[in-house]
Amino acid sequence: DGGITQSPKYLFRKEGQNVTLSCEQNLNHDAMYWYRQDPGQGLRLIYYSQIVNDFQKGDIAEGYSVSREKKESFPLTVTSAQKNPTAFYLCASSTRGEQFFGPGTRLTVL
Amino acid sequence: AQSVAQPEDQVNVAEGNPLTVKCTYSVSGNPYLFWYVQYPNRGLQFLLKYITGDNLVKGSYGFEAEFNKSQTSFHLKKPSALVSDSALYFCAVRDKRSSASKIIFGSGTRLSIRP
Repeated sequence: DGGITQSPKYLFRKEGQNVTLSCEQNLNHDAMYWYRQDPGQGLRLIYYSQIVNDFQKGDIAEGYSVSREKKESFPLTVTSAQKNPTAFYLCASSTRGEQFFGPGTRLTVL
Repeated sequence: AQSVAQPEDQVNVAEGNPLTVKCTYSVSGNPYLFWYVQYPNRGLQFLLKYITGDNLVKGSYGFEAEFNKSQTSFHLKKPSALVSDSALYFCAVRDKRSSASKIIFGSGTRLSIRP
């Protein structure tokens, strides 16, 4: 899991609440990413950021928001507009090559 | 557009036998290719990558992969499987010409090694 930390490991949310997932890296990587993984499925890109103060939508950005105020931090907010937020969320960072992943946060909506 | 296909949802192999996990890709230009492994409730771990040069790439835990440009494939192989190799494996691709750093992942192949 390298130099990328995600917190918390498990998160429970009531319907209608916003929740923020933390992702921090000490690898000095410019690019950071958020993915969603559902059971039996691959990774789907939510948002990515190639540089501080800039980010782009991925394939499933609706109901999510991000910020990139610092190079080492890329928090993801799951808003109440996300209809089915229960999933495993993975953060990653990279230079121009391979991506390095954090340990993941499992979000469950009660 | 970039895409990656992993045609097998599951691969079952006996311990000690060779294993192959298949991957084919599609990019407009030349590819960067990657293999990752995921254990339950964990993040993805990088196994190996092809950037340029020798078509046979060696990676972590005794795994290797062969880049075949004519078949647009990048199959993962290991000469002798271990029970501990049982996990979910992802192939991924990035177009070298793309200015964006994002990678496209395949749907994953579950590898099961029986004792």
